[in-house]
Amino acid sequence: AQSVTQLGSHVSVSEGALVLLRCNYSSSVPPYLFWYVQYPNQGLQLLLKYTSAATLVKGINGFEAEFKKSETSFHLTKPSAHMSDAAEYFCAVSDGQAGTALIFGKGTTLSVSS
Amino acid sequence: NAGVTQTPKFQVLKTGQSMTLQCAQDMNHEYMSWYRQDPGMGLRLIHYSVGAGITDQGEVPNGYNVSRSTTEDFPLRLLSAAPSQTSVYFCASSPDTLGNSPLHFGNGTRLTVT
Repeated sequence: AQSVTQLGSHVSVSEGALVLLRCNYSSSVPPYLFWYVQYPNQGLQLLLKYTSAATLVKGINGFEAEFKKSETSFHLTKPSAHMSDAAEYFCAVSDGQAGTALIFGKGTTLSVSS
Repeated sequence: NAGVTQTPKFQVLKTGQSMTLQCAQDMNHEYMSWYRQDPGMGLRLIHYSVGAGITDQGEVPNGYNVSRSTTEDFPLRLLSAAPSQTSVYFCASSPDTLGNSPLHFGNGTRLTVT
């Protein structure tokens, strides 16, 4: 069964600083990987997804993530944080099998200070 | 262009009461699912469905029932509410059942059980 671990429940950065949110996965087969963002009192929105086409995936709002099979990681980065990036971020994994379900990590709250 | 619609947005129940959380999607998606979100726990899968007439249990199914009589609707029933079911509930759908397409989320139902 697949699983995902997000390292760090809370990350704080200054505006303009690099954002790095960590995600490690476990899957017995090549996984599909996703990052979602949740703004306060809202549902989840897709940031980006990895489905084996390219290891470096670019998403919305300047975010990107790199799939590293050897490290079983899919960390999310953004070169320069903006105040509007403050939100909760979730990594999720699927094993792509028929009838499979998407499994989420526990989330990382990103705070951005001016 | 409604997407995934959840009703109600807020609900307060007394212990032992029953209720149904409604979820409807107008995108003709085969896959639908219910998650609950609790602080520090991320999103945990309750039940999911890969098509009309087919449902399966997720990570935390106890105390909840689902049915899928149509492609559009996927209601979640709480048979006898308990304070431990106080949570935010999200319904989500996807066009494929292999987990390689993103989930579309509703805006959530905030449930309090007293």
